[in-house]
Amino acid sequence: AQSVTQLGSHVSVSEGALVLLRCNYSSSVPPYLFWYVQYPNQGLQLLLKYTTGATLVKGINGFEAEFKKSETSFHLTKPSAHMSDAAEYFCAVSGRSGGGADGLTFGKGTHLIIQP
Amino acid sequence: DAGITQSPRYKITETGRQVTLMCHQTWSHSYMFWYRQDLGHGLRLIYYSAAADITDKGEVPDGYVVSRSKTENFPLTLESATRSQTSVYFCASSTDRPLNTEAFFGQGTRLTVV
Repeated sequence: AQSVTQLGSHVSVSEGALVLLRCNYSSSVPPYLFWYVQYPNQGLQLLLKYTTGATLVKGINGFEAEFKKSETSFHLTKPSAHMSDAAEYFCAVSGRSGGGADGLTFGKGTHLIIQP
Repeated sequence: DAGITQSPRYKITETGRQVTLMCHQTWSHSYMFWYRQDLGHGLRLIYYSAAADITDKGEVPDGYVVSRSKTENFPLTLESATRSQTSVYFCASSTDRPLNTEAFFGQGTRLTVV
């Protein structure tokens, strides 16, 4: 079974500061990795994904993530936080979930707080 | 409207009642999924469907029933609701198993069982 661990249920940064959200995964096969964002009272929206090829992936809204196989990590970064970045962020890995089904396995989420 | 829509957005029901959450997508995506979102657990897969008339269990299927008679619809039924099923439910769709494709999510249904 695959799993995802997001370090820190809440992360607070100042506006203009670096955003770093951590994600580690476990997988017995080459993973496909995703970051989704959820704004209040909305569904999830894809930020970026890693499938194959370049390990540094750029997404929407200035976010990027780097796949590091040796560290089994897929951390999300943004050089300069904006107030509009305040949201819940989910890291996910594709493949078989705990129930053996085809679907995304999600981390528990990180709530990003932006301080003015 | 194009996209994936869930109804109702909010629902309060009593313990023991049957309730059905609706999900409709206009893209003709093959795959559809139901997740529940709970604090401290993230999103967990309840059921998924690879095509019309093909469904399979996810991580937390107990107490839920699904059907998919048409490609565009994937209703989720709680046969006898319990308080532990109070949650936010998300439907999603994708063109293929989301091995490397994006899953598109509805806006969610907030269900409260009293």
